[in-house]
Amino acid sequence: AQSVTQLGSHVSVSEGALVLLRCNYSSSVPPYLFWYVQYPNQGLQLLLKYTTGATLVKGINGFEAEFKKSETSFHLTKPSAHMSDAAEYFCAVSANTGNQFYFGTGTSLTVIP
Amino acid sequence: NAGVMQNPRHLVRRRGQEARLRCSPMKGHSHVYWYRQLPEEGLKFMVYLQKENIIDESGMPKERFSAEFPKEGPSILRIQQVVRGDSAAYFCASSPSASTGRPYEQYFGPGTRLTVT
Repeated sequence: AQSVTQLGSHVSVSEGALVLLRCNYSSSVPPYLFWYVQYPNQGLQLLLKYTTGATLVKGINGFEAEFKKSETSFHLTKPSAHMSDAAEYFCAVSANTGNQFYFGTGTSLTVIP
Repeated sequence: NAGVMQNPRHLVRRRGQEARLRCSPMKGHSHVYWYRQLPEEGLKFMVYLQKENIIDESGMPKERFSAEFPKEGPSILRIQQVVRGDSAAYFCASSPSASTGRPYEQYFGPGTRLTVT
């Protein structure tokens, strides 16, 4: 079975500061890991994904995440926050068979000017 | 290439009515997933379908909810006799089959926001 825990339902950072959103997962099989962003009243947009290979993955809008198997983590980072980064962020895990995703409860990111 | 389409975007129903939510997957995608997002919560899996087949419905409530993905046309999520607790955003996602792409990538539609009054 798979599950995801996102620590911190609300995170506030100053514009230009480091963004760090935490995600820990549980999986009985090698996981596929994803970060999605959701803007108000919109659907989910894929930021980045880890399937196999390089553990540091780069995504859109300057985001990146590192898969750490020993820590069962997949934290999302961005060196410098921009006002447009304010949104809800969801971490998700799936088994490598293409079936359902398990989502965390989300982290709402606020960027302070 | 159009993305995943969902309609309507907003749906208001009175208690006891039926709600029908439609999802057209991305072109070439044969797998459809439905998720429900309650306020202040993440997305919860409901059902996974391929054309004319329900593959996994472990997340579907036992009563009043049904889903289909016919050979022709969109996937339909149907909620009968809606109650206020059904108010939520319902998202559809699609993915390609293993023979045509990467089945582990799911692409999400904009969602249907159901309000039950």
